[in-house]
Amino acid sequence: GQQLNQSPQSMFIQEGEDVSMNCTSSSIFNTWLWYKQDPGEGPVLLIALYKAGELTSNGRLTAQFGITRKDSFLNISASIPSDVGIYFCAGLQSGGSNYKLTFGKGTLLTVNP
Amino acid sequence: DGGITQSPKYLFRKEGQNVTLSCEQNLNHDAMYWYRQDPGQGLRLIYYSQIVNDFQKGDIAEGYSVSREKKESFPLTVTSAQKNPTAFYLCASIGLGSSWDTQYFGPGTRLTVL
Repeated sequence: GQQLNQSPQSMFIQEGEDVSMNCTSSSIFNTWLWYKQDPGEGPVLLIALYKAGELTSNGRLTAQFGITRKDSFLNISASIPSDVGIYFCAGLQSGGSNYKLTFGKGTLLTVNP
Repeated sequence: DGGITQSPKYLFRKEGQNVTLSCEQNLNHDAMYWYRQDPGQGLRLIYYSQIVNDFQKGDIAEGYSVSREKKESFPLTVTSAQKNPTAFYLCASIGLGSSWDTQYFGPGTRLTVL
């Protein structure tokens, strides 16, 4: 099965800095989702995007559904130590099952206090 | 409180033994999923089920089996045919027709085969 191209693989930043990560695909997606996973736990949904061009915020997090429907990005502003974790993008491919997600490989975020 | 439970949290087995991982939800969700997570690999779909007594293979179903006899339960058996079973296994569920913010993941089971 196809996996999304998520970058960067890892990031090391100072507390207070902004963070940006993205996912790209060669296929068109109908839905983009962004998750955060803490060590040893299941992922938790951060933001869901359903329309091309959609820009959605959740506190310090902002995500956008690319106009081409082949990409999405997640920004975290003014990072804090509890932002540490693995961030995953996931999507529903156009023409595929409405409930079968494709996941990126994740971005490991480390925040230095 | 509604949610998904997976048990046990940690599981150790000898090579060649079958092992069954439990996943239970009390959210009245129709669809349930099993994912495998390896370091640096993201989540890969093993099996999913959208209705009782029916399930479909995901991208890496070889060496695994599932059953869906009850709506709230979707156990995963890792068989001896799975060549590299050591991994973190995640169960998830969602109601059909619902938005994705109603999807939940369980806390995961870390399986180590010795």
